[in-house]
Amino acid sequence: DTAVSQTPKYLVTQMGNDKSIKCEQNLGHDTMYWYKQDSKKFLKIMFSYNNKELIINETVPNRFSPKSPDKAHLNLHINSLELGDSAVYFCASSPRDRNTGELFFGEGSRLTVL
Amino acid sequence: GDSVTQMEGPVTLSEEAFLTINCTYTATGYPSLFWYVQYPGEGLQLLLKATKADDKGSNKGFEATYRKETTSFHLEKGSVQVSDSAVYFCALSGGGGSEKLVFGKGTKLTVNP
Repeated sequence: DTAVSQTPKYLVTQMGNDKSIKCEQNLGHDTMYWYKQDSKKFLKIMFSYNNKELIINETVPNRFSPKSPDKAHLNLHINSLELGDSAVYFCASSPRDRNTGELFFGEGSRLTVL
Repeated sequence: GDSVTQMEGPVTLSEEAFLTINCTYTATGYPSLFWYVQYPGEGLQLLLKATKADDKGSNKGFEATYRKETTSFHLEKGSVQVSDSAVYFCALSGGGGSEKLVFGKGTKLTVNP
């Protein structure tokens, strides 16, 4: 019973391609996130959705487009992939209570752009 | 903006050694503070947290105390085990009313038998 699941776990693709990473949570949380972790393990938030509405959109190229069909899903679509997009992308979710600060992370999706 | 600074790694210790990983923060308002741990090949998971000044978070033998006067939240463990080898992230949320979690750069810990 994985709480936050992401697919695929590994993704290798060529520059210029378009790819998607899917995320689903079965915790009943209202808020979901995408984080990017670079090769030095630095984690940076990309997007946050609360009940299907975008609430955080950091400075991310518009080639990245999140889509939330319902509050249990937050997918990440990336157009025209570049070498610098290679990273591990983590999906996370949290309960509505904004002061808990506890995020539940998926296992990550390692994207390699060749 | 809000930020978190952790000691640079990697840190390598022998089993049963004492561990300290320093963390300081900059935030407006009154943030909550967290330590997350990432074991190899896995996502991050919450290790401990503290929501107000002088609170001590503890879990699995790890402790950290929220020190407002020094804006610090150092992680400590008295006797580390090989299984503690992981990357440790200090983080804050709620500073300045923001919901997002801001992470430090992570400190990789390796514990040798």
